[in-house]
Amino acid sequence: KNEVEQSPQNLTAQEGEFITINCSYSVGISALHWLQQHPGGGIVSLFMLSSGKKKHGRLIATINIQEKHSSLHITASHPRDSAVYICAANSGGSNYKLTFGKGTLLTVNP
Amino acid sequence: DGGITQSPKYLFRKEGQNVTLSCEQNLNHDAMYWYRQDPGQGLRLIYYSQIVNDFQKGDIAEGYSVSREKKESFPLTVTSAQKNPTAFYLCASRIRGAQHNEQFFGPGTRLTVL
Repeated sequence: KNEVEQSPQNLTAQEGEFITINCSYSVGISALHWLQQHPGGGIVSLFMLSSGKKKHGRLIATINIQEKHSSLHITASHPRDSAVYICAANSGGSNYKLTFGKGTLLTVNP
Repeated sequence: DGGITQSPKYLFRKEGQNVTLSCEQNLNHDAMYWYRQDPGQGLRLIYYSQIVNDFQKGDIAEGYSVSREKKESFPLTVTSAQKNPTAFYLCASRIRGAQHNEQFFGPGTRLTVL
């Protein structure tokens, strides 16, 4: 069983809709990452957070440490947001190893 | 511009041949990582290196080898011992030390073994 679970696996939305992607983890963490992977394969880091909430443009990431849960929200979604969104948990320690979720494939239709 | 480069983007090899994937970074990062991505699975760590001339096995190191002779470079060799080498390979780097430094990823190399 993967220690980091994402839901949903696939998500299709219409342009302008509010999107939520969820991530639950079973290990204690020092930080949680949200990553974006476009069809070409390259990965971009969106957020790294250990508590509370972060916002960047139309993207918002929240984390609840007690419930071991994080969410990524996209407001006013656009077709260019179509990508795979991946959450990854850093369990801390000197080796800094990330445990990755399987990803959520988001398709935003015009 | 600073960043991570991986070459080539697509690589084809015959079964039984060793192949080396390149990863170079000019971000002056100490730590570098190699991940493998398969359809329907999360990224899995193959090897990582926190400093020049030192590296450690990740979760799926069997059939792979690495070297870290220079800070900028962390090549990955996929050997003939790797049973299922066809996959997407991603290299990453970060500043060593602080837990809250993010990882930067390269564009990836898609390896197909025929």
